[in-house]
Amino acid sequence: GENVEQHPSTLSVQEGDSAVIKCTYSDSASNYFPWYKQELGKRPQLIIDIRSNVGEKKDQRIAVTLNKTAKHFSLHITETQPEDSAVYFCAASIPHRGSTLGRLYFGRGTQLTVWP
Amino acid sequence: DTEVTQTPKHLVMGMTNKKSLKCEQHMGHRAMYWYKQKAKKPPELMFVYSYEKLSINESVPSRFSPECPNSSLLNLHLHALQPEDSALYLCASSPLPHSQGTEAFFGQGTRLTVV
Repeated sequence: GENVEQHPSTLSVQEGDSAVIKCTYSDSASNYFPWYKQELGKRPQLIIDIRSNVGEKKDQRIAVTLNKTAKHFSLHITETQPEDSAVYFCAASIPHRGSTLGRLYFGRGTQLTVWP
Repeated sequence: DTEVTQTPKHLVMGMTNKKSLKCEQHMGHRAMYWYKQKAKKPPELMFVYSYEKLSINESVPSRFSPECPNSSLLNLHLHALQPEDSALYLCASSPLPHSQGTEAFFGQGTRLTVV
């Protein structure tokens, strides 16, 4: 199956600074890369995603970049705020065992803390 | 309605009990998923239903039994669970299950404690 590595496992930044979380994947068939934010005791929420035919996508303070050649993708959060504090998961989607059914493989998560 | 709704939010059950978790979505999504999540870990896929048919079973023990009565509902029947099965159980849905990559939306989860 796919192997998604995520770094760092913890990240502390001062309010207003930028935060970057990086993920690598192993299977070149991966074609969809979502990022989820999970606050304590809550559901994972999709915050941004990117497909394999796009190199970069931005939504206000959040951006994702994808390098297919190097098999890595990154989440960039600018002007961080205390409410950005949460666990962030990257994921990669590939077809399941030769079928047309896709499934997500998650990274291990990054605990982001933004200090006021 | 743009939500995935799970009930109950919390469940405490004994090892001899039988209980069910329920999940509902009215977004017309044709793929539905059960995930298990332990504290400080990513969600682990358990089952995938595609067009109301079980398509993926990630070698889940038979004490977990999924059911998809229709395109909007997904159940997870629990029987003879072990304390190590205590976790957050998340339901998710996505518009289509195909490999082109579609957004998965998660419910708020059921916090299960097995005593």
